[in-house]
Amino acid sequence: KAGVTQTPRYLIKTRGQQVTLSCSPISGHRSVSWYQQTPGQGLQFLFEYFSETQRNKGNFPGRFSGRQFSNSRSEMNVSTLELGDSALYLCASSATNEQFFGPGTRLTVL
Amino acid sequence: AQSVTQPDIHITVSEGASLELRCNYSYGATPYLFWYVQSPGQGLQLLLKYFSGDTLVQGIKGFEAEFKRSQSSFNLRKPSVHWSDAAEYFCAGDDPNNAGNMLTFGGGTRLMVKP
Repeated sequence: KAGVTQTPRYLIKTRGQQVTLSCSPISGHRSVSWYQQTPGQGLQFLFEYFSETQRNKGNFPGRFSGRQFSNSRSEMNVSTLELGDSALYLCASSATNEQFFGPGTRLTVL
Repeated sequence: AQSVTQPDIHITVSEGASLELRCNYSYGATPYLFWYVQSPGQGLQLLLKYFSGDTLVQGIKGFEAEFKRSQSSFNLRKPSVHWSDAAEYFCAGDDPNNAGNMLTFGGGTRLMVKP
């Protein structure tokens, strides 16, 4: 089985712009979660989608949003980018209680 | 509030020596517990997991972890470290009473291996 894929792998944006990141889960996995990893805050949970519905949400501002499509692929969007949004964004998919992570998207905000 | 703590930010061991990485958790109920490894610029790879039952769990790459309820710990061990084990290790917990998946991670322990 192919693993979790994330596109793009690297992204450079400027402050105020918006960005969309994509995640394709392992075939058959209906849950997709997103995490932000920064040197200062570590790994933090953003949100989880299951069957096209947001099932869990972390403590991030409304600028961070996501969605899931009928094929379980997921996107996350960050609007009005700030310098502090520079991070590695990791997506994970799951069929049960075990999450499998993708390689991440490295976002740099200038 | 739920939390996972890894007391050691950095650990250096000699190749061939044994390893123990510490992890403590604070949850209302016994959480699901996981250890992940991350190489530079990469995603997270699951080493092992604990849901219930046998408190000593075996994982990939020769790692094992022991769940100790009395100490709220889930320490990761390896009897003999290889240079390729140098990476960052993350302990994580998930509340079994919460529908879905929502990991809380520790701050990570960076492992360096001396030749």
